[in-house]
Amino acid sequence: DGGITQSPKYLFRKEGQNVTLSCEQNLNHDAMYWYRQDPGQGLRLIYYSQIVNDFQKGDIAEGYSVSREKKESFPLTVTSAQKNPTAFYLCASSSHSSYGYTFGSGTRLTVV
Amino acid sequence: ILNVEQSPQSLHVQEGDSTNFTCSFPSSNFYALHWYRWETAKSPEALFVMTLNGDEKKKGRISATLNTKEGYSYLYIKGSQPEDSATYLCASYTGTASKLTFGTGTRLQVTL
Repeated sequence: DGGITQSPKYLFRKEGQNVTLSCEQNLNHDAMYWYRQDPGQGLRLIYYSQIVNDFQKGDIAEGYSVSREKKESFPLTVTSAQKNPTAFYLCASSSHSSYGYTFGSGTRLTVV
Repeated sequence: ILNVEQSPQSLHVQEGDSTNFTCSFPSSNFYALHWYRWETAKSPEALFVMTLNGDEKKKGRISATLNTKEGYSYLYIKGSQPEDSATYLCASYTGTASKLTFGTGTRLQVTL
């Protein structure tokens, strides 16, 4: 079955360490997105990519980096420059935004 | 309206009650409005995609209406059941941006 997979589900890291969150899709979607959710807040866009080898900053890109070397994969690195990295991270993909997104099940990152 | 706004932020109803929530969005350059249902520990699931003014969509006990001229959509749930407990997200696509803009969601809790 086609879908979008995020791993791991839970991630713990020490402060100051970089950490990479995985997002893989087998839906043949061109576009992929990373969102962050904090308690009581909506989804905030971190980065998005409309095509392989290209990506754009979203609303809260500072302290994050991405790559899009393959159509299927859009990993997100949370760097030590991100001041408040503890959050829930959600990945999505779409063939075109007007059709809506397919979402992964998310990764909860806790930095201690 | 510049952003996508949802109200109320949360709602607590009893089993059997009917309820509704509001999504307000910028009416200029409107292209599509999406509703998602997001249960705890699961991926957001697409409910409806609406594009035309006056559109009405229905899926079982859940229905939605769209007013593109004034920039709002209503989601209705008839005879709420505990399994309807979830966060309901709306997202607007304007056609000028290559991404959806999400509201903060309405969290519904249905108790026996």
